Amino acid sequence: NAGVTQTPKFRILKIGQSMTLQCTQDMNHNYMYWYRQDPGMGLKLIYYSVGAGITDKGEVPNGYNVSRSTTEDFPLRLELAAPSQTSVYFCASSYSVGGLAGANSYNEQFFGPGTRLTVL
Amino acid sequence: DAKTTQPNSMESNEEEPVHLPCNHSTISGTDYIHWYRQLPSQGPEYVIHGLTSNVNNRMASLAIAEDRKSSTLILHRATLRDAAVYYCILRRMDSNYQLIWGAGTKLIIKP
Repeated sequence: NAGVTQTPKFRILKIGQSMTLQCTQDMNHNYMYWYRQDPGMGLKLIYYSVGAGITDKGEVPNGYNVSRSTTEDFPLRLELAAPSQTSVYFCASSYSVGGLAGANSYNEQFFGPGTRLTVL
Repeated sequence: DAKTTQPNSMESNEEEPVHLPCNHSTISGTDYIHWYRQLPSQGPEYVIHGLTSNVNNRMASLAIAEDRKSSTLILHRATLRDAAVYYCILRRMDSNYQLIWGAGTKLIIKP
C-alpha cells in the first residue's frame, strides 16, 4: 500500500492564482482530512469528509473548497491565493465507525508527506 | 483553543526513559487524550490515545492522572529516531470529535 499520497510536493503561487492540491489514499478509509501547518505551530483542520459526497468545515475553512466524489480522493481547492495561505498542507485519512462524528470509535489518522505552498 | 499545555522543548539521553507531560485542566468526561508525533519534514504519526485508563502499545505508554487533568507520555527507551515534536491533543465533543492541535513539545535526544 502507498498509504496517503499528495501532489505536488512544492508549489509557488502568485497572489490571486488558483490551484488544487491532490490527495489520494488506498486504504479504503472513510474519513479524510485537510490540515495546514504554519511554522512552529500545530496543525489546523481546514475541511474533513466522513465519506464520499459528505464534507464539513473545520477550524479554518475560509479561502478553501473541497469535494469528495470517491472514497480514494479528496482534493483541496484554493480559488484566489493570498499570502496568508503560505503554509504546509497535510492530507490524512482514517477509518471510523459508530456514527457521523465517530465519537465512540476511533482509529489513527494516517498522514501524507505534505505540500509546501508559498504565495507571493 | 488547543486546551492542552505542554513544555516547548525537552532533552533526554539516548537509551533512557522519557516522560513527556501534558496538562489539560479543562478536560470533560467525554474527551479523549491523543498523542501524535512529527519527525522533521514529515507528516505526523499516531502514537497512542486513551480515555481514563493507562494504555500501552508497542511505541509508548500513556499514564492518565486519576482526575484526568494531566497525562504523561512515556517512551521507555528513547533512541535518536524518537527526536520529534510530540503533540498532546484532546478530541472533544464540542469540536465534533475532531483533533484540535497545540504547538507540541520538541524532544531532543542526546547521544
